[in-house]
Amino acid sequence: KAGVTQTPRYLIKTRGQQVTLSCSPISGHRSVSWYQQTPGQGLQFLFEYFSETQRNKGNFPGRFSGRQFSNSRSEMNVSTLELGDSALYLCASSLGTANNSPLHFGNGTRLTVT
Amino acid sequence: KQEVTQIPAALSVPEGENLVLNCSFTDSAIYNLQWFRQDPGKGLTSLLLIQSSQREQTSGRLNASLDKSSGRSTLYIAASQPGDSATYLCAVRRSGDYKLSFGAGTTVTVRA
Repeated sequence: KAGVTQTPRYLIKTRGQQVTLSCSPISGHRSVSWYQQTPGQGLQFLFEYFSETQRNKGNFPGRFSGRQFSNSRSEMNVSTLELGDSALYLCASSLGTANNSPLHFGNGTRLTVT
Repeated sequence: KQEVTQIPAALSVPEGENLVLNCSFTDSAIYNLQWFRQDPGKGLTSLLLIQSSQREQTSGRLNASLDKSSGRSTLYIAASQPGDSATYLCAVRRSGDYKLSFGAGTTVTVRA
């Protein structure tokens, strides 16, 4: 069974640009959540989607947005990039039908903003 | 707000020694607690998930305990190997919430 796939693996952007990251969950998983990981703040929750609906959102500015498609694939968009957005962005999927289903993570997208 | 703390931040042991990693959380109203492993530059690999009604979970050389009332979990790794070198993170899912709150992790080095 294929794992969670995130593309691209690496991205370099300049301040002010926007970026879109993609996540394909494990087959059959309907929940996709996104996390930002930085050395200073650790892992922070961005948002979670289930059946194309945003179910929960973390404390990030509106520049961070996402969506989920009918096949459960998800995209995350960051507009007007800032230097502080440089981070590893991780996507995780789960069955999502019960809060006790474990999360499975992808290898992440490393975003560098210059 | 759920606060998750992992102590120590780093640990170095000789091969063969047992590892004990600690995780504490401030809000005992949780659905579950999950332990992950992260290798440098990679994503997180799920190790064990303990539901709030459980006291412990075991998988191979790994054993995780949960004491919800005191807000603590411990991950034991028996007979450590160099391949166990990684950062170990615990994450707590709060009741009625879909967010996971992560600890900062414990970076483990197992010396051959």
